[in-house]
Amino acid sequence: GAGVSQSPSNKVTEKGKDVELRCDPISGHTALYWYRQSLGQGLEFLIYFQGNSAPDKSGLPSDRFSAERTGGSVSTLTIQRTQQEDSAVYLCASSRTNTDTQYFGPGTRLTVL
Amino acid sequence: AQSVTQPDIHITVSEGASLELRCNYSYGATPYLFWYVQSPGQGLQLLLKYFSGDTLVQGIKGFEAEFKRSQSSFNLRKPSVHWSDAAEYFCAVGALDQAGTALIFGKGTTLSVSS
Repeated sequence: GAGVSQSPSNKVTEKGKDVELRCDPISGHTALYWYRQSLGQGLEFLIYFQGNSAPDKSGLPSDRFSAERTGGSVSTLTIQRTQQEDSAVYLCASSRTNTDTQYFGPGTRLTVL
Repeated sequence: AQSVTQPDIHITVSEGASLELRCNYSYGATPYLFWYVQSPGQGLQLLLKYFSGDTLVQGIKGFEAEFKRSQSSFNLRKPSVHWSDAAEYFCAVGALDQAGTALIFGKGTTLSVSS
C-alpha cells in the first residue's frame, strides 16, 4: 500500500478485556513506532522496532501493554485487562531507517467502557 | 530529558493573514525537529523537518520553519493563511538514542481561521 494502515479504525471494549491493534507499515520500512494520543497526555511514544532487533519498550506505560512485529513487517499492539485510562487513539508510524522521516497511520480509536 | 513546549494552545488568524506558531525544545545536542499537522479525523501529516544544514526549511503547503539554536526554537510560519489550514499543529523533536528516533511531541496548537 501507499501508506501506513491500521486496523481496526475504532474499537470499543469493556474494562478488563484484552484488545489487539494491528499496524501494516510502508513496505520496505525497517523502523516501526507505536504512539498513543490522549486528551490528558498528548502524544506519547510507546515502543520502537528496528528490523529484527529486540524492541525498545521504554515508553510502555505498564506490563499490560506488549507488542510484537512478525517478519519485520506487520506489528500488533496488545493491551491486556484494559482499563478506562487506556482509552486513546493509538498511532503507528514507520520509517525507512531509524533516522528517517516517520509516516503515520490513521490510528485506532480505543474506547474502554 | 528532552521536551517540547508549544506555548499557544489555540490561535485564531484571519484568512490571508500571516501565521507564526511557536515551538521551543529542550535537548542537549543538535536535535531532529519536525512539524506535523493533524486535521479532524485525520492522521499526522509531516509539514517539514530539520536535520542539519540550512536553518530555514521549506515545507509543504507554503509553510516554513526556522531553527534557532540560541533560542532553542523552531517556529513555524506561513505568509498567508487559507481556511483549509485550520487544524492542530504539533512540533516534535527526535533524539537519536536506543529508541531509534522516537519523537517527543509538544501538546499541540489548534489553529482556527476566521473569514
